[in-house]
Amino acid sequence: DAEITQSPRHKITETGRQVTLACHQTWNHNNMFWYRQDLGHGLRLIHYSYGVQDTNKGEVSDGYSVSRSNTEDLPLTLESAASSQTSVYFCASGTGDAGELFFGEGSRLTVL
Amino acid sequence: GQNIDQPTEMTATEGAIVQINCTYQTSGFNGLFWYQQHAGEAPTFLSYNVLDGLEEKGRFSSFLSRSKGYSYLLLKELQMKDSASYLCAVRDSNYQLIWGAGTKLIIKP
Repeated sequence: DAEITQSPRHKITETGRQVTLACHQTWNHNNMFWYRQDLGHGLRLIHYSYGVQDTNKGEVSDGYSVSRSNTEDLPLTLESAASSQTSVYFCASGTGDAGELFFGEGSRLTVL
Repeated sequence: GQNIDQPTEMTATEGAIVQINCTYQTSGFNGLFWYQQHAGEAPTFLSYNVLDGLEEKGRFSSFLSRSKGYSYLLLKELQMKDSASYLCAVRDSNYQLIWGAGTKLIIKP
């Protein structure tokens, strides 16, 4: 069965460290997204991609970067982790037509 | 600015009916989505409305009024497993999803 997986599921790091969260999907979807979810806020878009070599900034992109070298993967990198980036991160993919998104199980990141 | 409003928390009784409202103000409209999210899990798709009216899918129905910027999710014959957060999201003129903060639904026996 097709799926979307994230790793690691839990990560504790220190301020200033570089962190990469992996996202891999086997749906063969062109569209992939990274969101963060914090209490009291809706899902907030960090970066998104509509295909290989395409990346775009979302509403909360500062301090994050992504790359899309193939259809399956969209890794999210925090260049220098900050305590404000403590959050649950969700990767999602979709076709963009009906709009339904398929989400990974989330990565809980704690920055100390 | 763009805004999606939904109640923070609701409580209902097993076997009853509950209606979760969502109002939105967005730059353009290209569809409204409802997702379910159990605690500690990923959101999963429930419904999609792009035209006015009611869409029924089993125990769940979703209603849309574009002129009023309003939608609701109706859950019938509530079961304990329906305890979850329900997220409303609107696709704007740029085809980006704008998300509400979610409604936590608590089901009591």
